[in-house]
Amino acid sequence: GESVGLHLPTLSVQEGDNSIINCAYSNSASDYFIWYKQESGKGPQFIIDIRSNMDKRQGQRVTVLLNKTVKHLSLQIAATQPGDSAVYFCAENSRMDSSYKLIFGSGTRLLVRP
Amino acid sequence: EPEVTQTPSHQVTQMGQEVILRCVPISNHLYFYWYRQILGQKVEFLVSFYNNEISEKSEIFDDQFSVERPDGSNFTLKIRSTKLEDSAMYFCASSTDGSGANVLTFGAGSRLTVL
Repeated sequence: GESVGLHLPTLSVQEGDNSIINCAYSNSASDYFIWYKQESGKGPQFIIDIRSNMDKRQGQRVTVLLNKTVKHLSLQIAATQPGDSAVYFCAENSRMDSSYKLIFGSGTRLLVRP
Repeated sequence: EPEVTQTPSHQVTQMGQEVILRCVPISNHLYFYWYRQILGQKVEFLVSFYNNEISEKSEIFDDQFSVERPDGSNFTLKIRSTKLEDSAMYFCASSTDGSGANVLTFGAGSRLTVL
C-alpha cells in the first residue's frame, strides 16, 4: 500500500542551528511532494514543494532534497528560529484514477531552544 | 493574502447528533477538500470535490458523511449521526486545479468534540 512516514517524531535544536527533518515515502509513482508546517491551533501551511524531476529545491531558509532511489525526502531549515517551532508534515500527491489526493506523513515536531 | 475560512472553530455535540461544518474556500479556487486530524495523529484525506460532485473519497468517508456546495461560496461537511471516534480537527482546503502539482491551501480547522 501507499504510505508516507517520518523517521523522527520530535526534533529539538538550538536557535541558530540548522534543522533537518526526514521523510520516507513508499509510492514510487508519486511525482510531487510538499512540506507543510502546522503551528498549534492552525491548519497546515505550505512551505515548499518539489517535483520528482528535481533532486533539490531551495526557498528562503528552507531546502528540500529528494532521493528517488531510496524514496527519501528531507527538509532543511537554515538558522532555525523560535518561530520555526511547529509540526512539519511531508505529503505526496498520489494519483487516483483521474484525480489526485494529498497523502500526509505522520509529522515531526520541531522544538527550537532559545 | 486569500484565506480559507472555517466555522465553527470548535463544536461540542452529543453522540448521534448531526453536525455541519462550514468552509468558505478561496474565491477563484475550483477544487475543494476535507481532511481530518485526530489528536496527535497525521492529517487524513476524507474527500475531494469538483464541479459540484465528489471526485475522490477515502474509506473514512462512509454513508454518515456528505459534502455540499449549497450556494457557490460555502462548502460544507455534514456528519449525520456522530460517533465518539469522529472527534477530531476537520480541515477544509481548496486549490486552483486538481493536477498532480497543485498546492492545497488549508483553513485553520474546526475542532469537533463528540461526547
